[in-house]
Amino acid sequence: DAGVIQSPRHEVTEMGQEVTLRCKPISGHNSLFWYRQTMMRGLELLIYFNNNVPIDDSGMPEDRFSAKMPNASFSTLKIQPSEPRDSAVYFCASNPLSGNEQFFGPGTRLTVL
Amino acid sequence: GESVGLHLPTLSVQEGDNSIINCAYSNSASDYFIWYKQESGKGPQFIIDIRSNMDKRQGQRVTVLLNKTVKHLSLQIAATQPGDSAVYFCAENGRGGGGSNYKLTFGKGTLLTVNP
Repeated sequence: DAGVIQSPRHEVTEMGQEVTLRCKPISGHNSLFWYRQTMMRGLELLIYFNNNVPIDDSGMPEDRFSAKMPNASFSTLKIQPSEPRDSAVYFCASNPLSGNEQFFGPGTRLTVL
Repeated sequence: GESVGLHLPTLSVQEGDNSIINCAYSNSASDYFIWYKQESGKGPQFIIDIRSNMDKRQGQRVTVLLNKTVKHLSLQIAATQPGDSAVYFCAENGRGGGGSNYKLTFGKGTLLTVNP
């Protein structure tokens, strides 16, 4: 199994630009989670989906952030417009309906200049 | 609000020694806990979990202890090796471990450094 796949692994962009992060969960997993990790705030849950439906987006910082899951094998996290304070590592994780262990992807390191 | 926190942000041990990483949680409704290991440049990796109806669970070289009275969780690593050097996170699932998918709340993490 390839595990959770994220792309790109690194993204450097300028303030004001749109950023799209992508995630492919493990095949057969029903839940998908987007996290943001910074030194100051640690790992923060942004949003999660069950069976492609957003369940809890209370962690999304503001309207500049949006996430979609058009099908069971793909999700995106978009930031528009991006700001320097959005710089962080963004992780995607998935887990099956029958379990609580979340499997994390390698993350996308985002730098907004 | 509810939170999960760690007592020790850094821990340095000698190779071969045992390591103990501690975690305090505040959500009394939490009934499922997980320890994750995160190596530099990688995503968190599952180590071991425990449900609230248990107070101890053992894996390979790792043991998790849960004290619900004082809301404390610990991870013990036996015969620590250089490959164990990483950041360790505890996480709680406050809505049950019976097959439901609810969000995990992560602690800030403890950096474990193993000296050869």
